[in-house]
Amino acid sequence: EDQVTQSPEALRLQEGESSSLNCSYTVSGLRGLFWYRQDPGKGPEFLFTLYSAGEEKEKERLKATLTKKESFLHITAPKPEDSATYLCAVRSSGSARQLTFGSGTQLTVLP
Amino acid sequence: NAGVTQTPKFQVLKTGQSMTLQCAQDMNHNSMYWYRQDPGMGLRLIYYSASEGTTDKGEVPNGYNVSRLNKREFSLRLESAAPSQTSVYFCASIPGTGHQRNTEAFFGQGTRLTVV
Repeated sequence: EDQVTQSPEALRLQEGESSSLNCSYTVSGLRGLFWYRQDPGKGPEFLFTLYSAGEEKEKERLKATLTKKESFLHITAPKPEDSATYLCAVRSSGSARQLTFGSGTQLTVLP
Repeated sequence: NAGVTQTPKFQVLKTGQSMTLQCAQDMNHNSMYWYRQDPGMGLRLIYYSASEGTTDKGEVPNGYNVSRLNKREFSLRLESAAPSQTSVYFCASIPGTGHQRNTEAFFGQGTRLTVV
């Protein structure tokens, strides 16, 4: 059974204070690790897909990295508009048609 | 450019009532999904449809039924609502069947359901 654990559950940062969110996973053959952003009252919005250990992707102040057991979402010099819940999900060869989600990290960036 | 559209956005039901949540996508995607999101539990898969005419159970299917009406539409039905089904429901779609790369899911805006 695929499992995804995100930490911390909540994170408060001052504007400009860089940090990282963690996503640990256990799957039978990773076919993709996905990061989503979710704003209050909205559906998740796709950010990144990572497929193999060592892969990195960047978008503005966000950078996602992947190892064989976990992924990190690094936030550099965050702004208040980066406040959201960040969700991690995996797709495995054992359940290629399904995404298994973690419970998310609620990020608050204070001005 | 609508993407994934869910209706209704909000609904209050009494215990035992039935209702259908509607979902439609205009991206010509093959696979569609229904998730529920509860505080502290993330998104959990209820049912999915890898292609028109097929449906499969996910992690939490009890108390729900689905219909893949055509390639665009995938509905979720609660036959006899229970307070435990109070949740936010999300519909999603992906381009392929899940076995290909670049198959990120696109989500609707959600239906907030309260069962009293």
